[in-house]
Amino acid sequence: AQSVAQPEDQVNVAEGNPLTVKCTYSVSGNPYLFWYVQYPNRGLQFLLKYITGDNLVKGSYGFEAEFNKSQTSFHLKKPSALVSDSALYFCAVRDNPRAEYGNKLVFGAGTILRVKS
Amino acid sequence: DAGVTQSPTHLIKTRGQHVTLRCSPISGHKSVSWYQQVLGQGPQFIFQYYEKEERGRGNFPDRFSARQFPNYSSELNVNALLLGDSALYLCASSPVEIRSNQPQHFGDGTRLSIL
Repeated sequence: AQSVAQPEDQVNVAEGNPLTVKCTYSVSGNPYLFWYVQYPNRGLQFLLKYITGDNLVKGSYGFEAEFNKSQTSFHLKKPSALVSDSALYFCAVRDNPRAEYGNKLVFGAGTILRVKS
Repeated sequence: DAGVTQSPTHLIKTRGQHVTLRCSPISGHKSVSWYQQVLGQGPQFIFQYYEKEERGRGNFPDRFSARQFPNYSSELNVNALLLGDSALYLCASSPVEIRSNQPQHFGDGTRLSIL
């Protein structure tokens, strides 16, 4: 079964500094990977996805993610953090990309990002 | 365009009661999925529906059921509520089903509290 691990419960970074939120995955076959962000009392907002192609994926709000097949990682990055980036971040993998039906997502436990001014 | 809409936003029930949660997908999206997010955890998959048929089911008891209507909106029903059913219930829609790599778009959820 597919699984995702987010090894850090919380990441603290100063405004203007680069940020990284870590994600590792375990899948059979090629992974379909996603990052979502959740603000308090809101649903999940899609940030970016990796399906195939370039290992560096660019997404919304200046975020990007680096896919590393050998390390089975998909870390979320941003060159310069903003206070407004403070939120809960989820990494997810599609359960079975080869299935005709079913785009069930398997989520990590989430990482709280705190950006201090 | 309107995003995924869910109703109600908040709900308080007591143990043993029944609840119905509603979801309207983004216009043009035919696939709807339901997730349960317990406080401090990532969302857990409950159901997926496409073209009014169940296409996937997570590891949830039979107390949980759902359906999709001809307009692609969906309902999630939970019977015999337990304290452990307290959670944020998220609905997600996506435009294409078969071997889709399109991201799912989530609503803001229904926060269900069981007393």
